[in-house]
Amino acid sequence: AQRVTQPEKLLSVFKGAPVELKCNYSYSGSPELFWYVQYSRQRLQLLLRHISRESIKGFTADLNKGETSFHLKKPFAQEEDSAMYYCALIPARNYGQNFVFGPGTRLSVLP
Amino acid sequence: NAGVTQTPKFRVLKTGQSMTLLCAQDMNHEYMYWYRQDPGMGLRLIHYSVGEGTTAKGEVPDGYNVSRLKKQNFLLGLESAAPSQTSVYFCASATRQGMNTEAFFGQGTRLTVV
Repeated sequence: AQRVTQPEKLLSVFKGAPVELKCNYSYSGSPELFWYVQYSRQRLQLLLRHISRESIKGFTADLNKGETSFHLKKPFAQEEDSAMYYCALIPARNYGQNFVFGPGTRLSVLP
Repeated sequence: NAGVTQTPKFRVLKTGQSMTLLCAQDMNHEYMYWYRQDPGMGLRLIHYSVGEGTTAKGEVPDGYNVSRLKKQNFLLGLESAAPSQTSVYFCASATRQGMNTEAFFGQGTRLTVV
């Protein structure tokens, strides 16, 4: 079965400091991986997807198949980055079955 | 575009009462999902649908039923609410278009069962 883990429930950093939100997954095939963000009292929204190799709001994430990781990084955190972050995957060959979400990490950027 | 709309946004139920949550999407998506969000547990899939007239169980289906009579609507029913069903419920829809795979979420329904 597919599984996504995010080891940190809460991550606090100071404004301007680098931030890394960890995500590991277990899946025997080739998954598609995503980061979703939920700002206070808002709906979840897509932040970025690995297949696009994009950078959104200064965030990047690299898929490491050897370590089965998809960590989210930003070199200089901003206060507006404070939110709940969810890592998610879908099995590439079984689309429609499920988006599997991790438990989430709450990022708090301190002034 | 409205995207994904959930009704109601808030509800308080007494134990044993029933209710239906409505999810509507206007993006012509094939796939629709119902998740519950609980502290420390992330989002857990309750039921999902891969097309009109089809439904399937997710990770935590007990105590819930769903229906997808129309492509744009996905209903989640609680026949006899229990305090353990106190949660925030999110509906999502998705379509697969090459690199544009993405799940779009509703704003959530906060349900309290007393």
